[in-house]
Amino acid sequence: DQQVKQNSPSLSVQEGRISILNCDYTNSMFDYFLWYKKYPAEGPTFLISISSIKDKNEDGRFTVFLNKSAKHLSLHIVPSQPGDSAVYFCAASAKSGGSNYKLTFGKGTLLTVNP
Amino acid sequence: KAGVTQTPRYLIKTRGQQVTLSCSPISGHRSVSWYQQTPGQGLQFLFEYFSETQRNKGNFPGRFSGRQFSNSRSEMNVSTLELGDSALYLCASSEGGLGSPLHFGNGTRLTVT
Repeated sequence: DQQVKQNSPSLSVQEGRISILNCDYTNSMFDYFLWYKKYPAEGPTFLISISSIKDKNEDGRFTVFLNKSAKHLSLHIVPSQPGDSAVYFCAASAKSGGSNYKLTFGKGTLLTVNP
Repeated sequence: KAGVTQTPRYLIKTRGQQVTLSCSPISGHRSVSWYQQTPGQGLQFLFEYFSETQRNKGNFPGRFSGRQFSNSRSEMNVSTLELGDSALYLCASSEGGLGSPLHFGNGTRLTVT
């Protein structure tokens, strides 16, 4: 049972436009959400996170929105740049054993930003 | 600061053998987690160690084990290797507090033949 779903395997946008990556989750115990970017042959790179007590978190060109009632979060990248082309993973966790590092990942969305 | 370092980068083993993977976390980070990435299952949590104690465990068989040393370095061991254990094994470290993000290494690519 997939608890974190990224329903779009791929997304293509033009440079300078907005990229919106979506993620849905089913476990209502999740209270911490993260987005990671991954290039081939490298480990995932942390982008931005949000706790369940917030509905928005912004860091430069990246903004994450959380809609708890819909169990949905999204990552907005504005403006998109060719260097943003990568696989983006959504991840979620619930507090366990005093930590929130037991992350459940989605399968990823391949973002391609065209010049 | 240097990032998370995993050794070796690539490993080829035969079914039935055992393997040990190593991870050096970012300096000052006390939590180390291990994940397995496969094309079919994606990224799956194996276990997390904090101050030499296993704090969380995923749904993997007992053939998968780990440990953490007093300097926070961690090792992961897989015994009696199976073909299905072929995967990218990722280590991640964190300061250890709630809300601190995980920082991943580049992984060890294990191939079991």
